[in-house]
Amino acid sequence: DTEVTQTPKHLVMGMTNKKSLKCEQHMGHRAMYWYKQKAKKPPELMFVYSYEKLSINESVPSRFSPECPNSSLLNLHLHALQPEDSALYLCASSPLWTLGNQPQHFGDGTRLSIL
Amino acid sequence: DQQVKQNSPSLSVQEGRISILNCDYTNSMFDYFLWYKKYPAEGPTFLISISSIKDKNEDGRFTVFLNKSAKHLSLHIVPSQPGDSAVYFCAARINNAGNMLTFGGGTRLMVKP
Repeated sequence: DTEVTQTPKHLVMGMTNKKSLKCEQHMGHRAMYWYKQKAKKPPELMFVYSYEKLSINESVPSRFSPECPNSSLLNLHLHALQPEDSALYLCASSPLWTLGNQPQHFGDGTRLSIL
Repeated sequence: DQQVKQNSPSLSVQEGRISILNCDYTNSMFDYFLWYKKYPAEGPTFLISISSIKDKNEDGRFTVFLNKSAKHLSLHIVPSQPGDSAVYFCAARINNAGNMLTFGGGTRLMVKP
């Protein structure tokens, strides 16, 4: 059982829709991450939040808008996506963004399809 | 430019034998290395890690070896089980650059009964 929970598991949306992906962890981790993974490719980092503040934005298009309402929740708001944005979106968390050797723990992802 | 490479896209091994998955890296600033396992329709699961100050770390059937001079790490699974069939990603982190991971392209391991 994963300790990082992502909803929904699957999402199909049109290019004009607005939707949100949600991620929740209750491990007390203070760093949370969004990744995008295309088929047969490794995960690619999109955003990093540390103590609910955005620390890293890997030049992600503005049609992806992250939000960290509290230390347990991470959202990814989607608007006006393109077909090439269809992918598996993974959320991860780790105890801290800096200091120490800490693995990131991943959720099972949301498989997003853009029509 | 891929800084972390897994040159074997797939590996097939007989149940009970050893599986050896390899990973090469180019950035000498990497100081922490991890292996993740991924089943279809699931997220990557952390398996084992190693700090650059060590050359070996063992956890049950899984052992990771690090050769810093060759910029090479490997994951050994002994004995291999059918349930180990998955895609394995190695990942690396740069010292003092936060917990940002760079992933290799993955190796699909198939363990045949």
